[in-house]
Amino acid sequence: ILNVEQSPQSLHVQEGDSTNFTCSFPSSNFYALHWYRWETAKSPEALFVMTLNGDEKKKGRISATLNTKEGYSYLYIKGSQPEDSATYLCAPKRTGTASKLTFGTGTRLQVTL
Amino acid sequence: DAGVIQSPRHEVTEMGQEVTLRCKPISGHNSLFWYRQTMMRGLELLIYFNNNVPIDDSGMPEDRFSAKMPNASFSTLKIQPSEPRDSAVYFCASSLVWVKVTDTQYFGPGTRLTVL
Repeated sequence: ILNVEQSPQSLHVQEGDSTNFTCSFPSSNFYALHWYRWETAKSPEALFVMTLNGDEKKKGRISATLNTKEGYSYLYIKGSQPEDSATYLCAPKRTGTASKLTFGTGTRLQVTL
Repeated sequence: DAGVIQSPRHEVTEMGQEVTLRCKPISGHNSLFWYRQTMMRGLELLIYFNNNVPIDDSGMPEDRFSAKMPNASFSTLKIQPSEPRDSAVYFCASSLVWVKVTDTQYFGPGTRLTVL
Protein backbone atom coordinates (compact mmCIF):
# COMPACT_ATOMS: atom_id res chain seq x y z
CA ILE A 1 0.00 0.00 0.00
CA LEU A 2 1.38 3.38 -1.00
CA ASN A 3 1.55 5.81 1.90
CA VAL A 4 0.33 9.23 0.80
CA GLU A 5 0.00 11.93 3.42
CA GLN A 6 -1.58 15.33 3.06
CA SER A 7 -1.41 18.15 5.55
CA PRO A 8 -3.10 19.92 7.03
CA GLN A 9 -6.23 17.82 7.09
CA SER A 10 -8.36 20.96 7.01
CA LEU A 11 -7.83 24.66 6.71
CA HIS A 12 -10.05 27.65 7.27
CA VAL A 13 -8.88 30.97 5.80
CA GLN A 14 -10.40 34.32 5.00
CA GLU A 15 -10.94 35.73 1.56
CA GLY A 16 -7.73 37.21 0.24
CA ASP A 17 -5.43 35.03 2.32
CA SER A 18 -2.79 32.98 0.57
CA THR A 19 -2.37 29.41 1.65
CA ASN A 20 -0.49 26.22 0.89
CA PHE A 21 -0.79 22.49 1.53
CA THR A 22 1.62 19.59 1.45
CA CYS A 23 1.49 16.17 -0.15
CA SER A 24 4.10 13.58 0.89
CA PHE A 25 4.65 10.31 -0.93
CA PRO A 26 7.33 7.63 -1.32
CA SER A 27 10.01 8.87 -3.72
CA SER A 28 10.92 5.41 -5.02
CA ASN A 29 9.59 4.36 -8.44
CA PHE A 30 8.02 7.78 -8.90
CA TYR A 31 6.20 8.31 -12.21
CA ALA A 32 3.82 11.23 -11.83
CA LEU A 33 1.85 13.22 -9.30
CA HIS A 34 -1.74 14.26 -9.88
CA TRP A 35 -3.60 17.00 -8.04
CA TYR A 36 -7.40 17.01 -8.00
CA ARG A 37 -9.91 19.51 -6.73
CA TRP A 38 -13.11 18.16 -5.19
CA GLU A 39 -16.01 20.45 -4.40
CA THR A 40 -18.70 19.27 -2.02
CA ALA A 41 -21.46 17.30 -3.74
CA LYS A 42 -19.48 17.20 -6.99
CA SER A 43 -16.85 14.91 -8.49
CA PRO A 44 -13.07 15.26 -8.31
CA GLU A 45 -11.63 17.32 -11.17
CA ALA A 46 -8.05 17.22 -12.36
CA LEU A 47 -5.90 20.27 -11.59
CA PHE A 48 -2.34 19.32 -12.47
CA VAL A 49 -0.19 16.43 -13.53
CA MET A 50 3.47 16.78 -12.63
CA THR A 51 6.32 14.51 -13.61
CA LEU A 52 9.74 16.14 -13.32
CA ASN A 53 11.67 17.08 -10.23
CA GLY A 54 11.45 20.83 -9.83
CA ASP A 55 8.30 20.99 -11.95
CA GLU A 56 6.04 23.94 -11.34
CA LYS A 57 2.51 24.24 -12.69
CA LYS A 58 0.13 27.16 -12.55
CA LYS A 59 -3.57 27.61 -13.21
CA GLY A 60 -4.85 31.06 -12.38
CA ARG A 61 -4.23 31.69 -8.69
CA ILE A 62 -3.33 28.05 -7.99
CA SER A 63 0.17 26.69 -8.44
CA ALA A 64 2.05 23.56 -7.47
CA THR A 65 5.65 22.47 -7.12
CA LEU A 66 7.19 19.02 -7.09
CA ASN A 67 10.23 17.46 -5.39
CA THR A 68 10.58 13.87 -6.52
CA LYS A 69 13.85 13.22 -4.73
CA GLU A 70 12.40 13.83 -1.29
CA GLY A 71 8.84 12.90 -2.18
CA TYR A 72 6.68 15.95 -1.68
CA SER A 73 4.58 18.48 -3.53
CA TYR A 74 3.17 21.83 -2.45
CA LEU A 75 -0.05 23.37 -3.66
CA TYR A 76 -0.37 27.14 -3.29
CA ILE A 77 -3.44 29.31 -3.58
CA LYS A 78 -2.84 33.04 -3.85
CA GLY A 79 -5.57 35.40 -2.68
CA SER A 80 -8.09 32.71 -1.73
CA GLN A 81 -11.69 33.21 -2.82
CA PRO A 82 -14.84 31.49 -1.50
CA GLU A 83 -15.06 29.51 -4.75
CA ASP A 84 -11.71 27.91 -3.88
CA SER A 85 -13.45 26.07 -1.03
CA ALA A 86 -12.99 22.39 -1.78
CA THR A 87 -10.98 19.35 -0.84
CA TYR A 88 -7.64 19.14 -2.63
CA LEU A 89 -6.38 15.62 -3.28
CA CYS A 90 -2.99 14.51 -4.41
CA ALA A 91 -2.33 11.13 -6.00
CA PRO A 92 1.09 9.77 -6.96
CA LYS A 93 1.52 7.25 -9.71
CA ARG A 94 4.39 4.79 -9.69
CA THR A 95 6.25 3.28 -12.61
CA GLY A 96 4.75 0.36 -14.51
CA THR A 97 2.04 0.28 -17.14
CA ALA A 98 -0.40 -1.21 -14.67
CA SER A 99 0.29 1.50 -12.13
CA LYS A 100 -2.59 3.28 -10.53
CA LEU A 101 -3.31 6.44 -8.62
CA THR A 102 -3.34 6.26 -4.85
CA PHE A 103 -5.23 9.19 -3.43
CA GLY A 104 -4.34 10.95 -0.22
CA THR A 105 -7.13 11.80 2.19
CA GLY A 106 -7.00 15.40 1.07
CA THR A 107 -6.84 18.89 2.53
CA ARG A 108 -10.23 20.43 3.05
CA LEU A 109 -10.10 24.19 2.45
CA GLN A 110 -12.83 26.56 3.52
CA VAL A 111 -12.60 30.21 2.49
CA THR A 112 -14.92 32.67 4.18
CA LEU A 113 -15.72 36.29 3.49
CA ASP B 1 -19.52 14.97 -24.55
CA ALA B 2 -21.80 14.17 -21.62
CA GLY B 3 -18.93 13.07 -19.41
CA VAL B 4 -18.90 9.89 -17.36
CA ILE B 5 -22.44 8.76 -16.63
CA GLN B 6 -23.37 6.75 -13.57
CA SER B 7 -26.67 5.26 -12.52
CA PRO B 8 -28.44 5.24 -10.25
CA ARG B 9 -27.39 8.42 -8.46
CA HIS B 10 -28.85 7.17 -5.20
CA GLU B 11 -29.64 3.65 -4.09
CA VAL B 12 -31.21 2.56 -0.84
CA THR B 13 -31.49 -1.15 -0.26
CA GLU B 14 -31.81 -3.65 2.51
CA MET B 15 -29.06 -5.87 3.79
CA GLY B 16 -28.77 -9.06 1.78
CA GLN B 17 -30.08 -7.59 -1.46
CA GLU B 18 -28.11 -7.48 -4.67
CA VAL B 19 -27.00 -4.05 -5.84
CA THR B 20 -25.81 -3.18 -9.34
CA LEU B 21 -24.13 0.11 -10.14
CA ARG B 22 -23.65 1.18 -13.73
CA CYS B 23 -21.15 3.34 -15.54
CA LYS B 24 -20.78 4.66 -19.05
CA PRO B 25 -17.28 6.08 -19.66
CA ILE B 26 -16.48 8.99 -21.94
CA SER B 27 -16.57 7.84 -25.54
CA GLY B 28 -13.12 6.91 -26.80
CA HIS B 29 -11.60 6.43 -23.36
CA ASN B 30 -9.99 3.05 -22.96
CA SER B 31 -9.48 2.88 -19.20
CA LEU B 32 -12.18 2.69 -16.55
CA PHE B 33 -11.87 2.87 -12.78
CA TRP B 34 -14.21 2.12 -9.90
CA TYR B 35 -13.61 3.94 -6.61
CA ARG B 36 -15.32 3.92 -3.24
CA GLN B 37 -15.37 6.94 -0.98
CA THR B 38 -15.91 6.61 2.76
CA MET B 39 -15.19 8.87 5.68
CA MET B 40 -12.78 6.36 7.18
CA ARG B 41 -10.72 5.44 4.11
CA GLY B 42 -11.17 8.35 1.74
CA LEU B 43 -11.16 7.61 -1.99
CA GLU B 44 -9.96 4.08 -2.63
CA LEU B 45 -9.56 2.27 -5.93
CA LEU B 46 -11.56 -0.94 -6.20
CA ILE B 47 -10.73 -2.13 -9.71
CA TYR B 48 -9.68 -0.80 -13.06
CA PHE B 49 -9.92 -1.93 -16.66
CA ASN B 50 -7.81 -1.26 -19.74
CA ASN B 51 -9.52 -2.01 -23.05
CA ASN B 52 -12.30 -3.82 -21.18
CA VAL B 53 -9.85 -6.16 -19.43
CA PRO B 54 -9.53 -6.04 -15.62
CA ILE B 55 -5.95 -5.06 -14.79
CA ASP B 56 -5.96 -4.69 -11.02
CA ASP B 57 -8.75 -5.80 -8.72
CA SER B 58 -6.69 -5.88 -5.56
CA GLY B 59 -8.87 -3.18 -4.05
CA MET B 60 -12.07 -5.20 -4.28
CA PRO B 61 -12.97 -5.78 -0.63
CA GLU B 62 -14.22 -9.33 -0.84
CA ASP B 63 -15.98 -11.89 -2.98
CA ARG B 64 -19.28 -10.13 -2.57
CA PHE B 65 -18.00 -7.49 -4.98
CA SER B 66 -17.64 -8.12 -8.69
CA ALA B 67 -17.14 -5.87 -11.71
CA LYS B 68 -17.54 -6.39 -15.41
CA MET B 69 -16.90 -4.43 -18.54
CA PRO B 70 -18.59 -6.25 -21.41
CA ASN B 71 -17.79 -3.52 -23.92
CA ALA B 72 -16.02 -0.18 -24.21
CA SER B 73 -19.08 1.83 -23.27
CA PHE B 74 -20.45 0.06 -20.23
CA SER B 75 -19.34 -1.32 -16.88
CA THR B 76 -21.11 -2.65 -13.81
CA LEU B 77 -20.14 -3.03 -10.19
CA LYS B 78 -22.20 -5.59 -8.35
CA ILE B 79 -22.49 -6.27 -4.63
CA GLN B 80 -24.18 -9.50 -3.64
CA PRO B 81 -25.22 -9.77 -0.87
CA SER B 82 -24.99 -6.18 0.29
CA GLU B 83 -24.17 -5.26 3.89
CA PRO B 84 -24.56 -2.00 5.85
CA ARG B 85 -20.77 -1.49 5.81
CA ASP B 86 -20.95 -1.21 2.01
CA SER B 87 -22.73 2.12 2.39
CA ALA B 88 -20.57 4.68 0.60
CA VAL B 89 -20.35 6.80 -2.52
CA TYR B 90 -19.10 4.81 -5.49
CA PHE B 91 -17.38 6.72 -8.28
CA CYS B 92 -16.59 5.61 -11.78
CA ALA B 93 -13.82 7.38 -13.72
CA SER B 94 -12.42 7.01 -17.20
CA SER B 95 -9.19 7.97 -18.89
CA LEU B 96 -8.15 8.29 -22.51
CA VAL B 97 -4.82 6.50 -22.49
CA TRP B 98 -3.86 5.47 -18.99
CA VAL B 99 -0.35 4.33 -19.84
CA LYS B 100 0.43 7.88 -20.88
CA VAL B 101 2.01 9.48 -17.83
CA THR B 102 0.21 12.80 -18.08
CA ASP B 103 -3.26 11.48 -18.72
CA THR B 104 -5.91 12.32 -16.15
CA GLN B 105 -9.06 10.63 -14.96
CA TYR B 106 -12.52 12.07 -15.44
CA PHE B 107 -14.94 11.23 -12.68
CA GLY B 108 -18.64 10.56 -12.86
CA PRO B 109 -21.13 12.09 -10.40
CA GLY B 110 -21.07 9.03 -8.15
CA THR B 111 -23.71 6.69 -6.76
CA ARG B 112 -24.59 7.12 -3.13
CA LEU B 113 -25.39 3.68 -1.75
CA THR B 114 -27.17 3.15 1.54
CA VAL B 115 -27.61 -0.38 2.85
CA LEU B 116 -30.06 -0.62 5.73
